[in-house]
Amino acid sequence: QVQLQESGPGVVKPSETLTLTCNVSGGGSIISGGFYWSWIRQHPGKGLEWIGYIYYSGSTYLNPSLKSRVTISLDAPNKQFSLRVTSVTAADTAVYYCARDSGLGLKAFDIWGHGTMVTVSS
Amino acid sequence: EIVLTQSPGTLSLSPGERATLSCRASQSLRSGSLAWYQQKPGQAPRLLIYGASSRATGVPDRFSGSGSGTDFTLTIGRLEPEDFAVYFCQQYGTSPLYSFGQGTKVEIK
Repeated sequence: QVQLQESGPGVVKPSETLTLTCNVSGGGSIISGGFYWSWIRQHPGKGLEWIGYIYYSGSTYLNPSLKSRVTISLDAPNKQFSLRVTSVTAADTAVYYCARDSGLGLKAFDIWGHGTMVTVSS
Repeated sequence: EIVLTQSPGTLSLSPGERATLSCRASQSLRSGSLAWYQQKPGQAPRLLIYGASSRATGVPDRFSGSGSGTDFTLTIGRLEPEDFAVYFCQQYGTSPLYSFGQGTKVEIK
């Protein structure tokens, strides 16, 4: 059974770069099966915002509202994918989730990590 | 940019009652591009419904989804104690590629 686990710093200073990693356990290779690996965030007490995905092929698709500051990359041998957000502000304070769209027309996220809280503060 | 509006914001019901949650899109969605999630405090969302009406693996059959175009509904047939949570709808295909509604909280009356 596939499981996802986010990791990263709990606190980041304003203007710095946030980097999070999602470790994928169980299942086979993360570059097989046509999966879409996404990052989603949830501001405290608010709704969900999709940040972007990386396809198993390595191509990415990002939310236009964040595109200029976001990079998503894949480390297939270590079964990980990562999120990088530059020039963070207080508005980037949120719980960050990694999640999977298993493709095949699902168009939804069937597996989620537990989430990691990131606070932007000096 | 597409906007998903969920109503009501809060639904106060008793166990055993039927819950009807609405999700309205600001423009028509592609066929099969609406999903529903349940989120409990401190937990990640859990996929309930995809393709507007298909239940995800392991989801009890008291959960059902319906709708097309701009109007979608999640129905919980008879509320169990574990069903009190926040529910989000999510669309796929219109910029941004995935987006979510603001959520409906189902609370115990």
